[in-house]
Amino acid sequence: VHLAESGGGVVQRGGSLRLSCTASGFIFGDFAMHWVRQAPGKGLEWLTFMRYDGSQSHSVDSVKGRFTISRDNSKGTLYLQMSNLRPEDTAVYYCAKGSGGYGHVQLDSWGQGTLVTVSS
Amino acid sequence: QSVLTQPLSVSGAPGQRVTISCTGSSSNIGSGYDVHWYQQLPGTAPKLLIYGNDNRPSGVPDRFSGSKSDTSASLAITGLQAEDEADYYCQSFDISMTAVFGGGTKVTVL
Repeated sequence: VHLAESGGGVVQRGGSLRLSCTASGFIFGDFAMHWVRQAPGKGLEWLTFMRYDGSQSHSVDSVKGRFTISRDNSKGTLYLQMSNLRPEDTAVYYCAKGSGGYGHVQLDSWGQGTLVTVSS
Repeated sequence: QSVLTQPLSVSGAPGQRVTISCTGSSSNIGSGYDVHWYQQLPGTAPKLLIYGNDNRPSGVPDRFSGSKSDTSASLAITGLQAEDEADYYCQSFDISMTAVFGGGTKVTVL
């Protein structure tokens, strides 16, 4: 299993960014996928997940209405569209694979993360 | 403030046993959701350490063990080794259909 995030960078407050997570080594369309972030020197914060078939997703309140998760099972890729970014969104963003098709299971594989920096 | 509560740090000498607690509530751990644990070595991505309360993925040494009771869970490390120095996070799910993490515990090997 290999997960590779991309799309991070520096963006101004109020700006937008789209992260991608390219998956390989497993049948992407069979598993739920998650986004988790970690602010500098802080702990892990779960953001959102999407079911294996893309039919359902859930997000933490702090990003609802600003961040949107999506997936393209034909390309084996997970996305996170982030808008109206704030300095407090500065973090390393990880994508993680769920061990099953639905949300309430463990995250058994993680990417190396991509850094998003929001300047004020 | 994290939904699940963990101690900020624990420490022990090589060979000792340390435990990390993870306290939740009736809306997450107490609702029957499993607890999982992750290890994050410095500068690396988290790695699944314990899943389903007390199961170890292949390759995880048996000195790591987990347990769950009511609204809390624990991770124990027996025979502490220098390479166990890392941050440890518990994770579960909430009735609001969101995943929740603990704030993380730094394990220091003295």
